[in-house]
Amino acid sequence: NAGVTQTPKFQVLKTGQSMTLQCAQDMNHNSMYWYRQDPGMGLRLIYYSASEGTTDKGEVPNGYNVSRLNKREFSLRLESAAPSQTSVYFCASSERSTSNSPLHFGNGTRLTVT
Amino acid sequence: GNSVTQMEGPVTLSEEAFLTINCTYTATGYPSLFWYVQYPGEGLQLLLKATKADDKGSNKGFEATYRKETTSFHLEKGSVQVSDSAVYFCARNAGGTSYGKLTFGQGTILTVHP
Repeated sequence: NAGVTQTPKFQVLKTGQSMTLQCAQDMNHNSMYWYRQDPGMGLRLIYYSASEGTTDKGEVPNGYNVSRLNKREFSLRLESAAPSQTSVYFCASSERSTSNSPLHFGNGTRLTVT
Repeated sequence: GNSVTQMEGPVTLSEEAFLTINCTYTATGYPSLFWYVQYPGEGLQLLLKATKADDKGSNKGFEATYRKETTSFHLEKGSVQVSDSAVYFCARNAGGTSYGKLTFGQGTILTVHP
């Protein structure tokens, strides 16, 4: 069982460059999420998709865009990277956002913006 | 708003010692409460959860009780092992139907020595 797969695992960008973080899940989950993890701050929600075809902002959406490509895939795009976006990014999925089902996390993408 | 506060770490223990990691949450809505664990190089995994006041979540020897009167959800284990070394995150959801969006504490690093 692959679960939640994120690519790439590591990435270094220069300020102003763009990139897309990919996420796919094979558990037939309806809901998907993007979080960022920063030291001393835990994880913070960037965007989420309650179901295919819908996306909503989380706590820290500025500087990011998302696309729910289909039920399996949910990508996160940085149009113009900034050093403040240096972080570890986690994608997660759950059965439904309206059920008390747990989140399943990928192994993360470590992004450095210089 | 919703927030979660964890005791600051890191916590260093000897094998077989008793573990407590404190967690408190803001008393807004009727949240479910969670403990997630992150092993090195991996994503977060659900450790245990409690969905209403006085519920006790338990898993792998870890326990936490949902205390509404003290707005707390402290994690405990009677005898830790080296393999318990990880980062532990307390989290709450928004309550109501927003089960999927979690607010995390800052994380507590636990190191267990033989």
